[in-house]
Amino acid sequence: QSALTQPASVSGSPGQPITISCTGTSSDVGIYNYVSWYQQHPGKAPKLMIYDVSNRPSGVPDRFSGSKSGNTASLSISGLQAEDEADYYCSSFTSSSTLVFGTGTKVTVL
Amino acid sequence: EVQLVESGGGLVLPGGSLRLSCAASGFTFNTYEMNWVRQAPGKGLEWVSYIDASGTLMYYADSVKGRFSISRDNAKNSLYLQMNSLRAEDTAVYYCARQARTGWDLGYWGQGALVTVSS
Repeated sequence: QSALTQPASVSGSPGQPITISCTGTSSDVGIYNYVSWYQQHPGKAPKLMIYDVSNRPSGVPDRFSGSKSGNTASLSISGLQAEDEADYYCSSFTSSSTLVFGTGTKVTVL
Repeated sequence: EVQLVESGGGLVLPGGSLRLSCAASGFTFNTYEMNWVRQAPGKGLEWVSYIDASGTLMYYADSVKGRFSISRDNAKNSLYLQMNSLRAEDTAVYYCARQARTGWDLGYWGQGALVTVSS
């Protein structure tokens, strides 16, 4: 199972919106709505930010949102804040009954 | 409060074995599916294995199939990962993670246990 494809890095100024893409196949992202997004700060465990494509767990700021079109899912941050600087990973359930993560995206706040 | 605490990591020779444990608390352990996820130094996340709530259904990543074995003891609120025939490329921080009741999101993670495979 190959990793989902994400851009290596995305950057933006405080207050600006950014979007991170996550491209899979018709065996994972394309057929399941089990797409999640995780935020990971250096030296810390990942934190769930979005589940089932577009749902936010309790406590996650509403500036984070998720969507999906075809084989590509997206995570958007509507107004970037300094504390959003981190690595972000998408994941999807697959037709092989496994989980697959994305390659990861480093978000930099300029 | 949900807590997941991994233990059992360390330095092991190539070809050796190691058993990781994950102690769970703060929730009804025997009603949740659990997973192991690893992260090699400076690299991304890689899903390793899944086990259902009763411990009867398991899935593995191709990279560990036949070498790693996931299990759980619901009476002890504990999750395990038996790792055999270890290779240098298995060097990583290993996280245990609790899956949602429905869906495949991992809502709670432990702090991780470092496994280093080296001679």
